[in-house]
Amino acid sequence: GEDVEQSLFLSVREGDSSVINCTYTDSSSTYLYWYKQEPGAGLQLLTYIFSNMDMKQDQRLTVLLNKKDKHLSLRIADTQTGDSAIYFCAEIYSGYSTLTFGKGTMLLVSP
Amino acid sequence: NAGVTQTPKFQVLKTGQSMTLQCAQDMNHEYMSWYRQDPGMGLRLIHYSVGAGITDQGEVPNGYNVSRSTTEDFPLRLLSAAPSQTSVYFCASGGPQSTDTQYFGPGTRLTVL
Repeated sequence: GEDVEQSLFLSVREGDSSVINCTYTDSSSTYLYWYKQEPGAGLQLLTYIFSNMDMKQDQRLTVLLNKKDKHLSLRIADTQTGDSAIYFCAEIYSGYSTLTFGKGTMLLVSP
Repeated sequence: NAGVTQTPKFQVLKTGQSMTLQCAQDMNHEYMSWYRQDPGMGLRLIHYSVGAGITDQGEVPNGYNVSRSTTEDFPLRLLSAAPSQTSVYFCASGGPQSTDTQYFGPGTRLTVL
């Protein structure tokens, strides 16, 4: 079945850029998503990218998609301590809105 | 507009007990789903519904039942709780299209002893 892989942990200093990486296997994915989960909370949609796009920028967030390598990345510019959270990559499954999630990357931002 | 609400927030059950996790949305979304989140496993889909009266199984449906009698509500029933069902459960709702944002509830933390 479909599989989404992420690195489990990333530590950066406040003010640096963070890059969270994700690989996926379903070549028929139409949309790929990034969700943020703060401690004890649900998931918040950060951004998404359509599969015919290479890049999408939204304020401090930049999403890069390499469809050939099935590689997705999320760059957070000027990372702040409030960005500390778990970030999930997800793709669409079977044409519905059913999401297949990666295991999540914990981002720790130190002052 | 409350979005997606889930009750209870926390629950402790004994093995063999049954219970229902409630999920409601006030956004008139057709699509609703249940996920469980376990450490190191990400989120896994349990069941989903594309509209009232229509449900289908996800990746890990065993031990859970769902029904969708109204657009607003999508309860998840544990028939006979097992320790392996200890997890955090999230409900989500959204439109049926790939372009539609999925909104997640705050979660229910369930412990089965």
